[in-house]
Amino acid sequence: GENVEQHPSTLSVQEGDSAVIKCTYSDSASNYFPWYKQELGKGPQLIIDIRSNVGEKKDQRIAVTLNKTAKHFSLHITETQPEDSAVYFCAVPFGGTGGGNKLTFGTGTQLKVEL
Amino acid sequence: GAVVSQHPSRVICKSGTSVKIECRSLDFQATTMFWYRQFPKQSLMLMATSNEGSKATYEQGVEKDKFLINHASLTLSTLTVTSAHPEDSSFYICSAKAEEAKNIQYFGAGTRLSVL
Repeated sequence: GENVEQHPSTLSVQEGDSAVIKCTYSDSASNYFPWYKQELGKGPQLIIDIRSNVGEKKDQRIAVTLNKTAKHFSLHITETQPEDSAVYFCAVPFGGTGGGNKLTFGTGTQLKVEL
Repeated sequence: GAVVSQHPSRVICKSGTSVKIECRSLDFQATTMFWYRQFPKQSLMLMATSNEGSKATYEQGVEKDKFLINHASLTLSTLTVTSAHPEDSSFYICSAKAEEAKNIQYFGAGTRLSVL
């Protein structure tokens, strides 16, 4: 699959602060970049995604930015709340022209929002 | 978003027995479903891709005779772990992709398998 690197592996922030998680990928043909949130014992939940024809997408407190030249994309969470505490995964498609069907996941970031 | 139901959520079995896990897309037709395995504190690893009406495609290192996949309809895929052993204990997660939603995968809640 793709080579996907995700940083940091753990992130601790104070409630109300912002959190940023970054992913880098290797295949320049990739054109779809989702972020998933996984709570303990549950399956991943798609929280935001972006396609390569735009550089930024925002949904309330969550935003994703994409730099195709540098082959990295980032998740931004503003005004963090305790319920944002979870593991976040980026993913990149592989397996065909334009990215294909299959997803390679990053290594995950454990976000902890402290009161 | 689209809903994917996975059942059971938890199963405990004896070594040597087989376990079947179901994955259903509830409000859309899934031409493609995926099966992942996740070990504690690790990322999701793709095991196989399941297309309706055809044989599953397995990732390198995944034994197709060990992990039987059936995708008999556009809303149901099953994963059977045959002759399960303790090393098969893991969190198994399915996802489904609608034909019109390019690349977007929706995940089930996962199945925690514990083999004694």
